[in-house]
Amino acid sequence: GNSVTQMEGPVTLSEEAFLTINCTYTATGYPSLFWYVQYPGEGLQLLLKATKADDKGSNKGFEATYRKETTSFHLEKGSVQVSDSAVYFCALSSNTGKLIFGQGTTLQVKP
Amino acid sequence: DVKVTQSSRYLVKRTGEKVFLECVQDMDHENMFWYRQDPGLGLRLIYFSYDVKMKEKGDIPEGYSVSREKKERFSLILESASTNQTSMYLCASRDSGADTQYFGPGTRLTVL
Repeated sequence: GNSVTQMEGPVTLSEEAFLTINCTYTATGYPSLFWYVQYPGEGLQLLLKATKADDKGSNKGFEATYRKETTSFHLEKGSVQVSDSAVYFCALSSNTGKLIFGQGTTLQVKP
Repeated sequence: DVKVTQSSRYLVKRTGEKVFLECVQDMDHENMFWYRQDPGLGLRLIYFSYDVKMKEKGDIPEGYSVSREKKERFSLILESASTNQTSMYLCASRDSGADTQYFGPGTRLTVL
């Protein structure tokens, strides 16, 4: 079946550090891939997405590339800020239209 | 902008009570979803609806029911709340044919 695995958190970084949050998936077919972000006390917001192999999604300095050969969609940012502290969820869209989520990775950025 | 609203941000109920969680979206989306979010488990799908009066079970429907009488509104019902239903509940909507879901702010439910 479809599944998403994210690296375990929490991830703690200093401001301006480089961020990578790993995400790998198992799926039949060619799902769309997403990163959602949840800021403290809020719901989920779409951060970026990619719909086919080798696509790169980007937003707010974050990037992720759809890698079919490694079944991965790792999230990266070159220089994190305190305001990036949040929970990040990797997800895929199944062929029935449902989203399958990873368990979430908490990022804490210290000044 | 798509707006998904949920009736309460925080809710405290007693064991055995009937609980209604309401969700409203303003973008005429056909599809609506209810998830619960628990630490270490991510989001798990409870129920979803492809259209008015239509509903399908998700991965964890036990102890829950739903109602969709109008296109913009999707209600989650806990017939007899139990302490293991203490959680964050998130509603989402999506246009049919699209792949992006839009989420509400969540309702943190505590069952005592």
